[in-house]
Amino acid sequence: NAGVMQNPRHLVRRRGQEARLRCSPMKGHSHVYWYRQLPEEGLKFMVYLQKENIIDESGMPKERFSAEFPKEGPSILRIQQVVRGDSAAYFCASSLAGATYNEQFFGPGTRLTVL
Amino acid sequence: QQQVKQSPQSLIVQKGGISIINCAYENTAFDYFPWYQQFPGKGPALLIAIRPDVSEKKEGRFTISFNKSAKQFSLHIMDSQPGDSATYFCAATNSGGYQKVTFGTGTKLQVIP
Repeated sequence: NAGVMQNPRHLVRRRGQEARLRCSPMKGHSHVYWYRQLPEEGLKFMVYLQKENIIDESGMPKERFSAEFPKEGPSILRIQQVVRGDSAAYFCASSLAGATYNEQFFGPGTRLTVL
Repeated sequence: QQQVKQSPQSLIVQKGGISIINCAYENTAFDYFPWYQQFPGKGPALLIAIRPDVSEKKEGRFTISFNKSAKQFSLHIMDSQPGDSATYFCAATNSGGYQKVTFGTGTKLQVIP
């Protein structure tokens, strides 16, 4: 009865390195959402994906950030050439279907620290 | 503007008291308003949600009040308990075919014995 899994839970990178964050949705869920939470702030939507498709990436910075959700395997949020401002908690959520009233289940988050 | 404003930023309530958190939104296209509870080191979890066709929804000790004309909604926690100590986020979304959630900035609630 695993919920949404995220790994790693904590990630430390130096400026200029790459960060890869993984999210395994709940069993049977094919919709994944990524959010970013800066300290003392609410969660901000980044991207919504279905299997092999990016549906809405309007909240994701155009440069250095990318996301994928392949047919097999977890969803990946990739941050290239990280900067200190990327330090945040990154949460993914999954839902059974994309309709509005379907609950999103959140993972425990990955806390990224950029030195 | 896709914003949800939340207050207060922090709240201290005595055990047994009522905790009240207020939110306001601007986008009239929002039509679903969930509240999330987040404990330290954990992801947010859905607590209770309301649609604008009702003015109040109650689940146990948690009640949402909704004022559509004022574009405001609030969470009331009755008989607050130390275990309720967490950060609470109001949120909003619209029926755009998928649930892109806009979150408030959060209220850190501390219930003291």
